[in-house]
Amino acid sequence: GQQVMQIPQYQHVQEGEDFTTYCNSSTTLSNIQWYKQRPGGHPVFLIQLVKSGEVKKQKRLTFQFGEAKKNSSLHITATQTTDVGTYFCAENPAYSGAGSYQLTFGKGTKLSVIP
Amino acid sequence: NAGVTQTPKFQVLKTGQSMTLQCAQDMNHEYMSWYRQDPGMGLRLIHYSVGAGITDQGEVPNGYNVSRSTTEDFPLRLLSAAPSQTSVYFCASSYSRVRNEQYFGPGTRLTVT
Repeated sequence: GQQVMQIPQYQHVQEGEDFTTYCNSSTTLSNIQWYKQRPGGHPVFLIQLVKSGEVKKQKRLTFQFGEAKKNSSLHITATQTTDVGTYFCAENPAYSGAGSYQLTFGKGTKLSVIP
Repeated sequence: NAGVTQTPKFQVLKTGQSMTLQCAQDMNHEYMSWYRQDPGMGLRLIHYSVGAGITDQGEVPNGYNVSRSTTEDFPLRLLSAAPSQTSVYFCASSYSRVRNEQYFGPGTRLTVT
């Protein structure tokens, strides 16, 4: 099935630095969902992107969907210790009306923030 | 709303034992799923259900059974536990096939010795 590749696998940043994680696919994505999982916690839905070139912001987080809908990024400005966790992207192939219900998750980017 | 609840939080089993992981949601979601999470492997879908009485296999269904007799409950049964099933198990629910953002439960950490 569809594969979404996430890079990097790990990222260590100094508090206050910016952070970006990327989600890439070799084929066109129907849409992209982003989740955050705090250490010891469960994944929590952050946002869904559906349109080519779409950009959405949530405070210091900026989510982007590529023009060709083959990649997406999550950018955090001026990281804080509360940003620590693993960030996952996922595709919902059923969004377009066809395709499997099954979400395809990337393997995640684990963010560490050094105070 | 309690959201998605899972029990137990932790479980240790011996190889060959069976058990049921419980999952319930009170959001009237039609869709429910079970995932397992292993280090470096992300979230992998075990089984899912698109409504009461309807279940289907995900990416890694072997060794697990599910049933969905009500909208609220979606238990996961381990038939004969193996060390390879040591993992963290998450139950999730979602509103519909299109509005498929997942609401996850707190997880069950299972160790099989």
